[in-house]
Amino acid sequence: DVKVTQSSRYLVKRTGEKVFLECVQDMDHENMFWYRQDPGLGLRLIYFSYDVKMKEKGDIPEGYSVSREKKERFSLILESASTNQTSMYLCASRRDGIRTEAFFGQGTRLTVV
Amino acid sequence: GEDVEQSLFLSVREGDSSVINCTYTDSSSTYLYWYKQEPGAGLQLLTYIFSNMDMKQDQRLTVLLNKKDKHLSLRIADTQTGDSAIYFCAERDAGNNRKLIWGLGTSLAVNP
Repeated sequence: DVKVTQSSRYLVKRTGEKVFLECVQDMDHENMFWYRQDPGLGLRLIYFSYDVKMKEKGDIPEGYSVSREKKERFSLILESASTNQTSMYLCASRRDGIRTEAFFGQGTRLTVV
Repeated sequence: GEDVEQSLFLSVREGDSSVINCTYTDSSSTYLYWYKQEPGAGLQLLTYIFSNMDMKQDQRLTVLLNKKDKHLSLRIADTQTGDSAIYFCAERDAGNNRKLIWGLGTSLAVNP
């Protein structure tokens, strides 16, 4: 059973703090993704990674960075958290291939105060 | 660029059929997907359809694909309260096969 685990379900941080969101998958998937989900805006891709140390910007990378030092772990970093980064963050992983399924973590609800 | 559109809300009575619609723009899409998100959870793949198919049935779920109109629908027969969720339509990004392009999601409310 594929598992994608996000380190926290709920997080409250102060404006200006550096925030780390961690995601781990246990199926040796090449691709990992970070999305944010906001009401009325659906899922928006922040960054994704297709291999260790490889990353590509998604649609809304500003204010975020990522790290993939090991294949199973993909971290999202908010260098200096701001209130407009309050959101639900979803991590996903997927094996290479045309027909492969994306598996999602449970999500981290981040509140920046 | 590519776009996927869905209506945002649907309300049905328990036992009725639900039909969730989606339109997409990339005619070269090979696979189209339906994902379900239950409250407080991540997304899970419900079903997918390959572009050379018109229809796919899986128990209570029927997916219809009209390639000419670039229209995809998900029909849930005998809708139950447990089907209340957000349903996302997605297509593969033609510019980068690793990415999916997502609709905004349709929030399905099932009333007893």
